[in-house]
Amino acid sequence: DTGVSQNPRHKITKRGQNVTFRCDPISEHNRLYWYRQTLGQGPEFLTYFQNEAQLEKSRLLSDRFSAERPKGSFSTLEIQRTEQGDSAMYLCASSRSPGYNEQFFGPGTRLTVL
Amino acid sequence: TQLLEQSPQFLSIQEGENLTVYCNSSSVFSSLQWYRQEPGEGPVLLVTVVTGGEVKKLKRLTFQFGDARKDSSLHITAAQPGDTGLYLCAGAGAAGNKLTFGGGTRVLVKP
Repeated sequence: DTGVSQNPRHKITKRGQNVTFRCDPISEHNRLYWYRQTLGQGPEFLTYFQNEAQLEKSRLLSDRFSAERPKGSFSTLEIQRTEQGDSAMYLCASSRSPGYNEQFFGPGTRLTVL
Repeated sequence: TQLLEQSPQFLSIQEGENLTVYCNSSSVFSSLQWYRQEPGEGPVLLVTVVTGGEVKKLKRLTFQFGDARKDSSLHITAAQPGDTGLYLCAGAGAAGNKLTFGGGTRVLVKP
């Protein structure tokens, strides 16, 4: 039984560089979510997909952020022209719909922008 | 905007003691989930409560959903060092899509 996987687990980059993270959800889950968590806080919603359709985006998701789920399976989150304020843990979760929206999280990608 | 407030923010207790964590909101949630998170890892789902007044037990952990589905509590009996972690509550709205998380309660159980 494989859970949600995320790669890379850690990413250190310089300000202004682009970074891309990947999330592989639980295979039978058709919903996929991205959250961001900063130190000492709970996760904050960024965006979610049902199959390949991106259905909601948070105001936190600036123009520098883009997420895709091209075939309704894995997803990527790209941050362009990174800023120090982007440093955070980026979490991916998946769930089955319909249902009570129980979301299962991956281990996260820790981004540090120098 | 739905907000969830957790209290206390930090709890330090001795092994064997009991503890309760609270999660409160002015909004109604269709379901509420409790997670535990270890440093450097993603949150791990502990339980989902759906019905107002619902009580669920998971070994030494007891979860309760308020009658109005606006608040919840987590009670740990006879805490053990392995219970140490960040406990997060998260509510799902009527649309059932995104989760709104509380700020978390950091629990430290000392042996």
